[in-house]
Amino acid sequence: DADVTQTPRNRITKTGKRIMLECSQTKGHDRMYWYRQDPGLGLQLIYYSFDVKDINKGEISDGYSVSRQAQAKFSLSLESAIPNQTALYFCATSGQGAQETQYFGPGTRLLVL
Amino acid sequence: GQSLEQPSEVTAVEGAIVQINCTYQTSGFYGLSWYQQHDGGAPTFLSYNALDGLEETGRFSSFLSRSDSYGYLLLQELQMKDSASYFCAVSRNAGNMLTFGGGTRLMVKP
Repeated sequence: DADVTQTPRNRITKTGKRIMLECSQTKGHDRMYWYRQDPGLGLQLIYYSFDVKDINKGEISDGYSVSRQAQAKFSLSLESAIPNQTALYFCATSGQGAQETQYFGPGTRLLVL
Repeated sequence: GQSLEQPSEVTAVEGAIVQINCTYQTSGFYGLSWYQQHDGGAPTFLSYNALDGLEETGRFSSFLSRSDSYGYLLLQELQMKDSASYFCAVSRNAGNMLTFGGGTRLMVKP
């Protein structure tokens, strides 16, 4: 079984709709992250959480919100989706410390019409 | 702010050696990581350098010069399966928030 799972894997939605992307991990890590990747570009950090009660904005948090329901679960919401939020979204987890590897989920491909 | 520069595309032949450079500008630098991403896949960790010098892991090596704000990933004995995008990423302030470069697309030809 995969250590980091994301649901759904693909999603098509319409402008103005609220959607939620979910992430679960079985690695026992405290730290979780949400990234966005646009075609041909690098990953941009949306939000990160160092534990259940610690949630922080990343580089591009506008238009997004998150919820850390448990150590193993971190969800990303788009309150009112817009077409320029069409992208590939990755969840990641890591242990504590700057040297810790980040483990990525398989990604959610989102299309906003 | 932070910025990372790496070439957008590199082409090499099977069996060759290729070097992918990364220069960065950031405050609170802690370390430089490299991740590999195949088309349609998730990024996977390759290496991490916190100190100056070369780290070797099999066919892949990574180098860091903190004074030059520069690092590189060296891939030896290239194989077709090495065709992928490679991202450098800096971690800052002893935390593990990564800022990624735009990625280098490596194409390995027969």
